[in-house]
Amino acid sequence: AQTVTQSQPEMSVQEAETVTLSCTYDTSENNYYLFWYKQPPSRQMILVIRQEAYKQQNATENRFSVNFQKAAKSFSLKISDSQLGDTAMYFCALVDSGNTPLVFGKGTRLSVIA
Amino acid sequence: DAGVTQSPTHLIKTRGQQVTLRCSPISGHKSVSWYQQVLGQGPQFIFQYYEKEERGRGNFPDRFSARQFPNYSSELNVNALLLGDSALYLCASSDPGQGRTEAFFGQGTRLTVV
Repeated sequence: AQTVTQSQPEMSVQEAETVTLSCTYDTSENNYYLFWYKQPPSRQMILVIRQEAYKQQNATENRFSVNFQKAAKSFSLKISDSQLGDTAMYFCALVDSGNTPLVFGKGTRLSVIA
Repeated sequence: DAGVTQSPTHLIKTRGQQVTLRCSPISGHKSVSWYQQVLGQGPQFIFQYYEKEERGRGNFPDRFSARQFPNYSSELNVNALLLGDSALYLCASSDPGQGRTEAFFGQGTRLTVV
């Protein structure tokens, strides 16, 4: 069975600073995809960034980047130049290549402080 | 293009009643998945449909059922509601036929059972 673990229930960061959210996972598949989703108080789950397991290069999307360590089964999210609008729940999620459903972690509540 | 739309946005039901939640996927997306998100937790997989066929079912009782229509929209039905069914119900659509694994979510239906 696939599992996703987020060990930081809550984090806070000062505006304009950098913060890293942690995620570890377990899967027996060799080909899979990892995601970070953001869920603001509006409830909409928004895709932040995507990483294919077969790619060694870490994904980057503007101020968001990941540190993907396949051997360690670790997938952390770094948010640079944090903005007030980054305040949200962040979920790490895993899916294998066979059109299976997403497996989510329990989430990290991030607060950006002015 | 419209994103994933869900209706209704909020719903209050009494224990023992039945409820139907609706979801319209992104145009061209043939896969729809349903998730239940209890307050403070990550989403839990309920059902996945692809090309109108059930492709997966999570660990939920038979009171939960779903279907997908020829236009790829979907309904989630819950019978004999319990207080514990109170949650945010999320619908996600994806386009696995094009090798894309990202799931895009609607804003959810907040169900309260009293």
